[in-house]
Amino acid sequence: DVKVTQSSRYLVKRTGEKVFLECVQDMDHENMFWYRQDPGLGLRLIYFSYDVKMKEKGDIPEGYSVSREKKERFSLILESASTNQTSMYLCASSVTSAAGELFFGEGSRLTVL
Amino acid sequence: AQSVTQPDIHITVSEGASLELRCNYSYGATPYLFWYVQSPGQGLQLLLKYFSGDTLVQGIKGFEAEFKRSQSSFNLRKPSVHWSDAAEYFCAVGDNFNKFYFGSGTKLNVKP
Repeated sequence: DVKVTQSSRYLVKRTGEKVFLECVQDMDHENMFWYRQDPGLGLRLIYFSYDVKMKEKGDIPEGYSVSREKKERFSLILESASTNQTSMYLCASSVTSAAGELFFGEGSRLTVL
Repeated sequence: AQSVTQPDIHITVSEGASLELRCNYSYGATPYLFWYVQSPGQGLQLLLKYFSGDTLVQGIKGFEAEFKRSQSSFNLRKPSVHWSDAAEYFCAVGDNFNKFYFGSGTKLNVKP
């Protein structure tokens, strides 16, 4: 089975701190994604990557950056956390093929105080 | 622009009753359509997907969905709901560039 692992399930940070969210997948998928999930808004794409060292902005990239140095790992970085970044963050991966579905991690719930 | 609409935010059904969750999409080409389920505090799990062929798609846990191109819909159904089906359900459309667009979700409550 495909496994997408997010290193932290729950984090509490202070405003202005730098935050790293790590995601690792074990199925050699080309594509990796970071989504943000908020009640009533569904999932919104922050960034995605279709290859090592490649990244593209999603719908809400402001305040975030990403890093993909190895194929299996995709990190989301909040350079200076703000309270409006309190949310559930979901990592996902997929193969590059028609109708290749997303495989999700269990999520990281971030609270910024 | 691509978009997905799930018009029902909350739905409550009695255990054993039938279920239909609505999904409408906007997409210029033939869509790849998905339904995901999310249990509380968990990630999303794929229920089923449509990408071509038979417009009635069977999924896991007894769910099915029907693609209706003329109505731009991909509604999810289950003939008899179990208490363990209480969760949030997301409809999504995927494009040819491996990008996915999600609806805002429907929370399902199941009455005993």
